[in-house]
Amino acid sequence: SQTIHQWPATLVQPVGSPLSLECTVEGTSNPNLYWYRQAAGRGLQLLFYSVGIGQISSEVPQNLSASRPQDRQFILSSKKLLLSDSGFYLCAWSEMGGNQPQHFGDGTRLSIL
Amino acid sequence: DAKTTQPPSMDCAEGRAANLPCNHSTISGNEYVYWYRQIHSQGPQYIIHGLKNNETNEMASLIITEDRKSSTLILPHATLRDTAVYYCIVREYYGQNFVFGPGTRLSVLP
Repeated sequence: SQTIHQWPATLVQPVGSPLSLECTVEGTSNPNLYWYRQAAGRGLQLLFYSVGIGQISSEVPQNLSASRPQDRQFILSSKKLLLSDSGFYLCAWSEMGGNQPQHFGDGTRLSIL
Repeated sequence: DAKTTQPPSMDCAEGRAANLPCNHSTISGNEYVYWYRQIHSQGPQYIIHGLKNNETNEMASLIITEDRKSSTLILPHATLRDTAVYYCIVREYYGQNFVFGPGTRLSVLP
């Protein structure tokens, strides 16, 4: 069966520091991969998605970036964190295909001080 | 913006069926209906999805009206662990983005 791993589960970072969140998927090949952010009391916002190695689509302008160095690895990064980057970051995967559901990891709760 | 409307909260007695409604009156022909749930501090969990036929899996049943303007998620025998926020989402066939609205907070009561 397929599994998705995100780490760390929680993270506290100072303003201006860099960020690297990692997500890996097991048990599938060529998945679509996604990064979402959920602000407190709000819905999920799609940040990036990838349909293949090195292919990244950005949904919203921000100081975050994403990379997919391997088929089942998706990384969310920032060079300098802002207070507004606080939130719950979720990675998700789906099989290729038009109506496939996305399956979410357990998320990283990021607090910026 | 979410294309669905759901009641903000519902209660259900443990062991009874939980019927969660969703309105999606502007749904178009190539859009699917998906249901997820989220327990506090966890990622959303996929439950079920469908286009126009009723669907059933080990977790739930999805009933979609003939005009596809509304649907109902049925948890046949609710347990305390089913307490969560349930999201009904409409997404087009090749869409990449799941737009989560406020959902329905289901409380299963002992």
